[in-house]
Amino acid sequence: DADVTQTPRNRITKTGKRIMLECSQTKGHDRMYWYRQDPGLGLRLIYYSFDVKDINKGEISDGYSVSRQAQAKFSLSLESAIPNQTALYFCATSDLQSGLDTGELFFGEGSRLTVL
Amino acid sequence: EDQVTQSPEALRLQEGESSSLNCSYTVSGLRGLFWYRQDPGKGPEFLFTLYSAGEEKEKERLKATLTKKESFLHITAPKPEDSATYLCAAPRTGAVDGSRLTFGEGTQLTVNP
Repeated sequence: DADVTQTPRNRITKTGKRIMLECSQTKGHDRMYWYRQDPGLGLRLIYYSFDVKDINKGEISDGYSVSRQAQAKFSLSLESAIPNQTALYFCATSDLQSGLDTGELFFGEGSRLTVL
Repeated sequence: EDQVTQSPEALRLQEGESSSLNCSYTVSGLRGLFWYRQDPGKGPEFLFTLYSAGEEKEKERLKATLTKKESFLHITAPKPEDSATYLCAAPRTGAVDGSRLTFGEGTQLTVNP
């Protein structure tokens, strides 16, 4: 089984619909991230959470919200999906060594979202 | 503004033909430069971290190097299985560690047999 699991893997929806992408991890890491990947733009950080009570906006958080239900679960919601949110979404985790983030991210397999 | 720029966007090599990928960055107080590999339909997979100018890391046919302004990923005698998109990343300015990475757009490498 994958250490970082994303569901759904593929989703097609319509403009205005609410969508939730879910992420669960078995690595025991406190830190979790949501990135989106677009051709020509690379990976961009949407939200990140350093523990269950700590959630922070990334560089492109507008139109998104998140929920950290437990150490192992981090969900991304699109309250009212729009076509330019069509992208590949990745959840990732990271760990600390000697109190510092190693910078080594462990990614899920991705969730491909299409908004019509 | 933090920027991580990779070149070329795409590179096509023959098996055994060595080459290099470039990653330039404008991040103040760099706290690590990271290389990842991404296969089609998969999430990125960590390769290397470099922390200081002059540092080198190797893994099989890959060697990553770092200067004060850029990093290179050298691929020696590549094989078709090295075909992938290679991403570099750096922590955002102000990050005290490796959290909150800014990624480059990636170089798509194709190695033909």
